Amino acid sequence: GQSLEQPSEVTAVEGAIVQINCTYQTSGFYGLSWYQQHDGGAPTFLSYNALDGLEETGRFSSFLSRSDSYGYLLLQELQMKDSASYFCAVRGFQKLVFGTGTRLLVSP
Amino acid sequence: DTGVSQNPRHKITKRGQNVTFRCDPISEHNRLYWYRQTLGQGPEFLTYFQNEAQLEKSRLLSDRFSAERPKGSFSTLEIQRTEQGDSAMYLCASSLVQGGNNEQFFGPGTRLTVL
Repeated sequence: GQSLEQPSEVTAVEGAIVQINCTYQTSGFYGLSWYQQHDGGAPTFLSYNALDGLEETGRFSSFLSRSDSYGYLLLQELQMKDSASYFCAVRGFQKLVFGTGTRLLVSP
Repeated sequence: DTGVSQNPRHKITKRGQNVTFRCDPISEHNRLYWYRQTLGQGPEFLTYFQNEAQLEKSRLLSDRFSAERPKGSFSTLEIQRTEQGDSAMYLCASSLVQGGNNEQFFGPGTRLTVL
C-alpha cells in the first residue's frame, strides 16, 4: 500500500520561514508533489520533485530524498495569505496519492 | 482559475436519489481524474481517463458510482442511490501527459450533501 505522513498543523508568524515535512511509503514512485488548498478552494499545484535535491520557485522550495523516502516544503517570508492546508502527494504512474495535509496558520 | 470547471458547485440531495456531476477539463488535456475529499483529509483517487478510456478505478468506487468521458472531453460522475456517507467534495483534475510532465490541475469541486 501507500501511506504519507505529515504534521497536522504548523503555526508561524508573518515574515518567518516554515518547513513542512513529509515521509512516505509507496511502490511505483515517480516523484513528490506539493499542493496548497485554501478553505473551500481547490488544490493548487506548488512544486514537484522527481529527483533528489532542492527545487526553488519564488518563496517556496521543495526538497526530496528518495533514499530516505522524505521530502519537505519550505515557505519563506511568510504572508497571511499563506494560511492554508498543504498536501504532499506521491506521484505514481497514473495518479496522485495525497497525505492528510498540514494546516498552516500564519499570524501577524 | 486553473481552467478546469465543474458543475454544479453545490448539490444537496436526499438519501436514495441519483446525482450527476460534470467536469470540463483544460481543452488540450488528455487525462482526466476524479477525486473525493472529506473534511480534514486529502483528496482520494476515484478513477481516471486517458482520452475516452477509463483506465483505472479505485476500490472506493462502489457499483453505485459510474463515470464517463464519452468523447474524450468533458466527463460526468454519477452516483446512484446516494447515501449519507457519499457527502464529500468531488474534485476533478486534468493533465497533459507529455514526456515526464503530468502535473494535475484541479477544478473547484462539487460539494455534495446527502440528507
